[in-house]
Amino acid sequence: SYDLTQPSSVSVSPGQTARITCSGDLLAKVYSRWFQQKPGQAPVLVIYKDSERPSGIPERFSGSSSGTTVTLTISGAQVDDEADYYCYSATDNNLVFGGGTKLTVL
Amino acid sequence: EVQLLESGGRLVQPGGSLRLSCTVSGFTFSDFSMSWVRQPPGKGLQWVSSISGTGGATYYADSVKGRLTISRDNSRNTLYLELHSLRVEDTALYYCVKDQKSGTYGAFEVWGQGTLVPVSS
Repeated sequence: SYDLTQPSSVSVSPGQTARITCSGDLLAKVYSRWFQQKPGQAPVLVIYKDSERPSGIPERFSGSSSGTTVTLTISGAQVDDEADYYCYSATDNNLVFGGGTKLTVL
Repeated sequence: EVQLLESGGRLVQPGGSLRLSCTVSGFTFSDFSMSWVRQPPGKGLQWVSSISGTGGATYYADSVKGRLTISRDNSRNTLYLELHSLRVEDTALYYCVKDQKSGTYGAFEVWGQGTLVPVSS
């Protein structure tokens, strides 16, 4: 099975750029997704196909990919962006989430 | 608006069984694969099982294979998950998840609010 590795936490001040990485061999072969999960709420899709943004997701959220690493970037992070972020990818019967990154904006 | 509403979660003793349901609205249910993803308290997300739009193909994580059964009733717009031989480590919030596109599985898009399954004696 495959693993996806994320930092456990990232901290930025409001208005700064937050970058959350996700690494794994799987990512060199298939697309990734990112989900945002605020406390007590269900996950929300914020990026798919490495860099596509669903309708309704603010433009400050973007994604990129390079080799075996994908990155979620939040430009001009806001206090409301504080949440856990999970990367995800899938191939064959391996559907894998990263361990999650707690983003603190303060 | 796409809506997913899970139900059926309750306290179960180890070794017990349970059936979860997810009733959906706002889209053509039979066109999309559906999945269950769980989250143990305070921990990360774990894919559990997926099913094709017709119900003809099912997929399971190795950790639950043989103990869980996914199914769907397209006439009732409802997804199910039967859990058997439950273990303490199955304790989690179980989410129902809709795929983003038809013809595939695992392209998670919209999530329900989850139903809690505590397994304890």
